[in-house]
Amino acid sequence: DVKVTQSSRYLVKRTGEKVFLECVQDMDHENMFWYRQDPGLGLRLIYFSYDVKMKEKGDIPEGYSVSREKKERFSLILESASTNQTSMYLCASSPGALGTQYFGPGTRLLVL
Amino acid sequence: RKEVEQDPGPFNVPEGATVAFNCTYSNSASQSFFWYRQDCRKEPKLLMSVYSSGNEDGRFTAQLNRASQYISLLIRDSKLSDSATYLCVVNMANSGYALNFGKGTSLLVTP
Repeated sequence: DVKVTQSSRYLVKRTGEKVFLECVQDMDHENMFWYRQDPGLGLRLIYFSYDVKMKEKGDIPEGYSVSREKKERFSLILESASTNQTSMYLCASSPGALGTQYFGPGTRLLVL
Repeated sequence: RKEVEQDPGPFNVPEGATVAFNCTYSNSASQSFFWYRQDCRKEPKLLMSVYSSGNEDGRFTAQLNRASQYISLLIRDSKLSDSATYLCVVNMANSGYALNFGKGTSLLVTP
């Protein structure tokens, strides 16, 4: 079974803090993704990576950055958290182009 | 125009009913199509891929109409455990790696 894990299920941070969300997959997948999910807006792609040290912007990259130093790990960074970044963050991985994506359990982030 | 559009529902159906969900997508160059299921406060999980010839998995049948850019999901003999949000998913045609998710259709199966 594919396993995608995320470092925290729930996180509370203050405005202006730097926030790191970690994602690890154990299936040697090339591609990894970060989404946020908000009521009424569905899943929106923030960034994705198709190889180590490679990254591509998704639909809503503003206010976020990512890091992929190892194949199994993809980090999402909020440089200076803001209240409008309160959301559910979902990480996913997939084995190749056009492949099925497997999701982690999500991190519910609250920025106060 | 949204890339992937779905009727948000909710669809309330009794156990044993047949229910169908529809989805349209905007980019004719899309090549991969899926239905995902998401339970309340959980992550999305793949329900089934959708193939051009249509495909069936137990009580679930998926159809693709490329000419109309339309995808459907049929659930027969609904179970209480089918209650969830069903997400229509299409690959982003300008990127082989990323997917476009519809906002989902909510299904509630009642006793």
